[in-house]
Amino acid sequence: ETGVTQSPTHLIKTRGQQVTLRCSSQSGHNTVSWYQQALGQGPQFIFQYYREEENGRGNFPPRFSGLQFPNYSSELNVNALELDDSALYLCASSLRSGGKETQYFGPGTRLLVL
Amino acid sequence: SQQGEEDPQALSIQEGENATMNCSYKTSINNLQWYRQNSGRGLVHLILIRSNEREKHSGRLRVTLDTSKKSSSLLITASRAADTASYFCATEPGGNQFYFGTGTSLTVIP
Repeated sequence: ETGVTQSPTHLIKTRGQQVTLRCSSQSGHNTVSWYQQALGQGPQFIFQYYREEENGRGNFPPRFSGLQFPNYSSELNVNALELDDSALYLCASSLRSGGKETQYFGPGTRLLVL
Repeated sequence: SQQGEEDPQALSIQEGENATMNCSYKTSINNLQWYRQNSGRGLVHLILIRSNEREKHSGRLRVTLDTSKKSSSLLITASRAADTASYFCATEPGGNQFYFGTGTSLTVIP
């Protein structure tokens, strides 16, 4: 309904592995943000990309990295997975427009790290 | 730490009643937004209120903002079973960062 899609929907990895999560933004949106949501918690801001460059970062270590592509797709990469990385990962796209930015969320990727 | 805190954590009401949930935040903001989330899925934007606005309406939703108290409230009138969800406030203090609260879990009993 929001026009934002994410893949895969579910993923199981083991500790120490690397993972890539994908997001397809609404056409025309120049900004994508990624969030981590642990069970029973609110989403935690990981970082934001604007016109293919990182443009804001929350309190996450460098093993969380991202890419944004010109075709409105983006990736979240997590290296050296830890058990605490198990969470729902949400991407949100938006069109930056003078401080009235509404974010449109994808359905999320649920990651389980064993 | 998260910027916002919602209160109450959980709320259970009968269909047709009004539901009020509150959000408090810590620093100055550009705007505050309310989102809804069904069963751990993606969030849906409900309403945005700017820092220079005090009240805003959208259908059955009414949002107030008191920047002096760093708080906001979301009122859902004439609630329906379909309103059952978690509700989050999100603030943008600037610096291209967004902070969500811990959420209020609303259950509307038919």
